[in-house]
Amino acid sequence: DAGITQSPRHKVTETGTPVTLRCHQTENHRYMYWYRQDPGHGLRLIHYSYGVKDTDKGEVSDGYSVSRSKTEDFLLTLESATSSQTSVYFCATLSGTEGFGQYFGPGTRLTVL
Amino acid sequence: RKEVEQDPGPFNVPEGATVAFNCTYSNSASQSFFWYRQDCRKEPKLLMSVYSSGNEDGRFTAQLNRASQYISLLIRDSKLSDSATYLCAVNMNRDDKIIFGKGTRLHILP
Repeated sequence: DAGITQSPRHKVTETGTPVTLRCHQTENHRYMYWYRQDPGHGLRLIHYSYGVKDTDKGEVSDGYSVSRSKTEDFLLTLESATSSQTSVYFCATLSGTEGFGQYFGPGTRLTVL
Repeated sequence: RKEVEQDPGPFNVPEGATVAFNCTYSNSASQSFFWYRQDCRKEPKLLMSVYSSGNEDGRFTAQLNRASQYISLLIRDSKLSDSATYLCAVNMNRDDKIIFGKGTRLHILP
């Protein structure tokens, strides 16, 4: 358990509103990730970070931005939420030690009406 | 071709049987490989890393075939509690960009 928390755990919002999801870790892991999970699509990588202020796009980055100003926090922002962004969002961390996989947070269930 | 592909299943297997999953990946330069287990409405949890020489953890065996670009997971003597979705993950590059397959659903039948 890498001490990963996500907030909020559940959110309902309206189309066009901005939304920020927060991921917080206590293990000082270098890498952090945001995924979304939808039926029929599995886990898809949105953005990831390989260090403070170092981020890169994943498979489905359009409509999302991220920021990492501290090692422990990775924020995912939907600038103007759309119904297609209704999903479960998972944050994950990776220590970077060879052979060690990712740890996941509990997820945030986002509904965009 | 999708970067990481898995048979979605479901696999319906009687208790005590052996079941195997495969996962193919497209990038021959991929660095490391993992299997995860995900229970319904829960987060994925790391089951095991996959090493070049193959590795075993109790009833679970993972193997890597770099020439054919696939990894496999074998579950022996399956238990009811093994029912879950099994996800493979591939580290695509040196920046640790990790991509998942869609997952394979496994139902162990009593």
